[in-house]
Amino acid sequence: GENVEQHPSTLSVQEGDSAVIKCTYSDSASNYFPWYKQELGKRPQLIIDIRSNVGEKKDQRIAVTLNKTAKHFSLHITETQPEDSAVYFCAASRRGGKLIFGQGTTLQVKP
Amino acid sequence: NAGVTQTPKFQVLKTGQSMTLQCAQDMNHEYMSWYRQDPGMGLRLIHYSVGAGITDQGEVPNGYNVSRSTTEDFPLRLLSAAPSQTSVYFCASTLSGGGTDTQYFGPGTRLTVL
Repeated sequence: GENVEQHPSTLSVQEGDSAVIKCTYSDSASNYFPWYKQELGKRPQLIIDIRSNVGEKKDQRIAVTLNKTAKHFSLHITETQPEDSAVYFCAASRRGGKLIFGQGTTLQVKP
Repeated sequence: NAGVTQTPKFQVLKTGQSMTLQCAQDMNHEYMSWYRQDPGMGLRLIHYSVGAGITDQGEVPNGYNVSRSTTEDFPLRLLSAAPSQTSVYFCASTLSGGGTDTQYFGPGTRLTVL
């Protein structure tokens, strides 16, 4: 079945450094790739997304890249801040409402 | 707009009991979904709906039923609760079209089955 693998499971960086989280997906028909941030006890919040017809998208300190041939996509956070500490999830979808999530990455930004 | 609402926020059940988790959205979204999130894990899709009267199974549908009689509501029914169903349940609705499938999550229901 459809599967999304996410790495690493935990990531610790110093404030100001960059963080990169990578995901691979199995369904070649997937065409929508969102990233969510989830703080402890809260609901997931969309931080950035990308469609399959776009290779890269940037929004201030965060960017997502997509390689359709290799079926992988990555989240890049630059100039990390302590408030970036959270669990990040990637997901893939070929149809609205049917997201398949990765296992999550716990990001810790040390002051 | 209230967005996506879920009730109850917390629930404790005994093994074998049944219950319905409520989900409603006031954004006129066509797509709605149910996920469960176990501790330290990602979200797994239980059931989803692409419109009133249409539902389909996700990754982990066993033990759960859904129906979609209106665009606004998408209840999730646990038929006979088991300890393995202890989890946090999130409902979501999706704005689809215009190059995006932005999914909005409700606040979640924390369910414990004893």
